Amino acid sequence: GIQVEQSPPDLILQEGANSTLRCNFSDSVNNLQWFHQNPWGQLINLFYIPSGTKQNGRLSATTVATERYSLLYISSSQTTDSGVYFCARGISGGSNYKLTFGKGTLLTVNP
Amino acid sequence: NAGVMQNPRHLVRRRGQEARLRCSPMKGHSHVYWYRQLPEEGLKFMVYLQKENIIDESGMPKERFSAEFPKEGPSILRIQQVVRGDSAAYFCASSLTGTDSPLHFGNGTRLTVT
Repeated sequence: GIQVEQSPPDLILQEGANSTLRCNFSDSVNNLQWFHQNPWGQLINLFYIPSGTKQNGRLSATTVATERYSLLYISSSQTTDSGVYFCARGISGGSNYKLTFGKGTLLTVNP
Repeated sequence: NAGVMQNPRHLVRRRGQEARLRCSPMKGHSHVYWYRQLPEEGLKFMVYLQKENIIDESGMPKERFSAEFPKEGPSILRIQQVVRGDSAAYFCASSLTGTDSPLHFGNGTRLTVT
């Protein structure tokens, strides 16, 4: 079946540190998105990034579709970055709208 | 508020009752999705709707669950005769197009079945 594997599963950082989260997927993709679920359960879309590189403030993401992975970079982390980061990809073909989520990376940023 | 609006935020139902969850998509969005997040599990796709049409309900349990997105008003996810296993967070999302635009989620409805 469709696989979305995220690593690491857990990550603890001191405020100010940088981090890289990885998402591997098992098939070609043309719908790849990153989300942040904060401790209150809200899901925020960070990036729609089926290929290439995007940046938004301290966050940036790169997807290398030919090698089937995507990376999320967090620089100068803040306590408000804590939460779970999900990678999600669309199913190839006609059901591309249907996202399959990875299990997430639980990030804890300590002051 | 231009975001995806879901209500109620929390819903408690006794076994056998009905649960109705509502969702208004972002302004300008006509594609609506429902996802379920169970404890210790990731988010799972349930259903994809456009106005007055169910496009894909392959993730919906075959019984007791139904969804609609009428011409007027919010999308509704309806769970009849709830059981304890239905306790979960139900998220609604919307997008501008079906396949090549970001998905924006509401704050979710936490359903607890007692």
